Amino acid sequence: GESVGLHLPTLSVQEGDNSIINCAYSNSASDYFIWYKQESGKGPQFIIDIRSNMDKRQGQRVTVLLNKTVKHLSLQIAATQPGDSAVYFCAEDYGQNFVFGPGTRLSVLP
Amino acid sequence: SQTIHQWPATLVQPVGSPLSLECTVEGTSNPNLYWYRQAAGRGLQLLFYSVGIGQISSEVPQNLSASRPQDRQFILSSKKLLLSDSGFYLCAWSSSGVEQYFGPGTRLTVT
Repeated sequence: GESVGLHLPTLSVQEGDNSIINCAYSNSASDYFIWYKQESGKGPQFIIDIRSNMDKRQGQRVTVLLNKTVKHLSLQIAATQPGDSAVYFCAEDYGQNFVFGPGTRLSVLP
Repeated sequence: SQTIHQWPATLVQPVGSPLSLECTVEGTSNPNLYWYRQAAGRGLQLLFYSVGIGQISSEVPQNLSASRPQDRQFILSSKKLLLSDSGFYLCAWSSSGVEQYFGPGTRLTVT
């Protein structure tokens, strides 16, 4: 069936560097996508969203890029900090609910 | 502002025992409500969602059930727990078409 997945399950970056987390989706009809951050032992927290009529959206230190041609979503984190260490999920709107990818663990090295 | 509560935060139950996890939402009305399970180091698996009182949709056949006795209350239950029911259970709410807001989660260990 349709699904949302991630290219890399783990990512390690040096503090201060930029991070890029990728996500592939297969449902071309999806029109809304979200990135969530989940710290250990906590529920996921909303980071940023994007609708299919946009290619790029920026927040504070984060940018989401949407490439509908290749069905690819990415989350860019600028100047990665230790507090960014977490698991990041992309989610795809499926009408009443969302389908979540398996997640990417981001580790920030000192 | 809206808040979502889950309890208990942690739970250790023997195999075959019943389960009741509760989720309540404050500050909004007629929310969509969701139960997810997350196995260790894995993604989120949607278990149930509800668009209104008494309306429950099940995404995964299993020995769990859900109920929504009040507009802002969502309960996850089981009559007999299995070892495979261990995991991190998350409740979430949303207004239709926008992001979901997650609760703090319940860590369930079935022994």
